[in-house]
Amino acid sequence: SQTIHQWPATLVQPVGSPLSLECTVEGTSNPNLYWYRQAAGRGLQLLFYSVGIGQISSEVPQNLSASRPLDRQFILSSKKLLLSDSGFYLCAWSEDRASYGYTFGSGTRLTVV
Amino acid sequence: GENVEQHPSTLSVQEGDSAVIKCTYSDSASNYFPWYKQELGKRPQLIIDIRSNVGEKKDQRIAVTLNKTAKHFSLHITETQPEDSAVYFCAATAGSGNTGKLIFGQGTTLQVKP
Repeated sequence: SQTIHQWPATLVQPVGSPLSLECTVEGTSNPNLYWYRQAAGRGLQLLFYSVGIGQISSEVPQNLSASRPLDRQFILSSKKLLLSDSGFYLCAWSEDRASYGYTFGSGTRLTVV
Repeated sequence: GENVEQHPSTLSVQEGDSAVIKCTYSDSASNYFPWYKQELGKRPQLIIDIRSNVGEKKDQRIAVTLNKTAKHFSLHITETQPEDSAVYFCAATAGSGNTGKLIFGQGTTLQVKP
């Protein structure tokens, strides 16, 4: 069966520090991968998605970047964090076809201080 | 751009009553509409979904209806229980091709009072 792993679970980082969040999927090949951010009490904002290795689409101009170095690995990064980057970051995967639901990772709660 | 509007933002009902959450979407090419439940501090979990070739789908106490002409879809929960209390998100596919991209509504906080 397919599983999705996301780490770390919580992170407290100072303003201006770098960020690297990792997400991996097991039990499937060529998944679509997604990064979402959820601000406190808010909805889910799509940040990046990827349909294949090295293929990254950005939805919102911002201080973040994403990379997909392996088929089942998706990384969210920042060179210098801002206070506004705080939030709950969720990785998700879906089959490589449209019209299928997501399975979300357990999320990373990032607090920038 | 693609947009999904969700109402109400908060909903409080008595245990045993019904709850209805409504969403509208803007992309006429949307063809898949899932609903997610998110408990406090947890990941969203898929609870039910509907595809564009179906008008209604039911799974025990929850049902979803879709009106493609009006670009509306709704979640219905009957005989609500305290454990139904959570944030509920609707979503719709967006974009062309096989991106599987989902645009989410802003969420509805449902409180079921015992």
